[in-house]
Amino acid sequence: DGGITQSPKYLFRKEGQNVTLSCEQNLNHDAMYWYRQDPGQGLRLIYYSQIVNDFQKGDIAEGYSVSREKKESFPLTVTSAQKNPTAFYLCASSISGIASVFEQFFGPGTRLTVL
Amino acid sequence: AQKVTQAQTEISVVEKEDVTLDCVYETRDTTYYLFWYKQPPSGELVFLIRRNSFDEQNEISGRYSWNFQKSTSSFNFTITASQVVDSAVYFCALSGRETSGSRLTFGEGTQLTVNP
Repeated sequence: DGGITQSPKYLFRKEGQNVTLSCEQNLNHDAMYWYRQDPGQGLRLIYYSQIVNDFQKGDIAEGYSVSREKKESFPLTVTSAQKNPTAFYLCASSISGIASVFEQFFGPGTRLTVL
Repeated sequence: AQKVTQAQTEISVVEKEDVTLDCVYETRDTTYYLFWYKQPPSGELVFLIRRNSFDEQNEISGRYSWNFQKSTSSFNFTITASQVVDSAVYFCALSGRETSGSRLTFGEGTQLTVNP
């Protein structure tokens, strides 16, 4: 089955620690995205990548880092510099088009809690 | 700047009622795309529909229908004969092709509760 997987589903972190959230897709999509969702709010874009070995900051990139070494994988690291990292993190992917914008498909999410 | 407004934070209906979720958007792009997503309690966003700015034809898919009106910058979503399984948070999203490429701007979402 084609889709997007995220792991772990729940993650607990102590203050001052870096943690990495995994996102893998087998949809053969070029573009991948990371969003953060806080309770009762919409999604905010952290980073996105249109192609392997390239990525851009979204609206709230401070305290986060990403890499895109493989088409299928787009891991997100939440660093100790992120002051309020407790949130629900969603990864998405889409076809990348020059003349059009395509729908994004989402993974099941990772719920990060800082203790 | 782009903006999506979903003024209804929460809606509660009784099963079999029809319900309309409002979405108003702002963009300066002439070419843009609008989306609706459903987020059930499990958390994963489910894609429902994509519409481009040149296609104002309304769409119906089963109990779901969408009304796109450029004159009022609205893209409203109606569920006919609602069911308990429709209970979820619904998000409207926008992407202006010229200014944001594939980036989506999401509204704050509308929590729909369908009571038996």
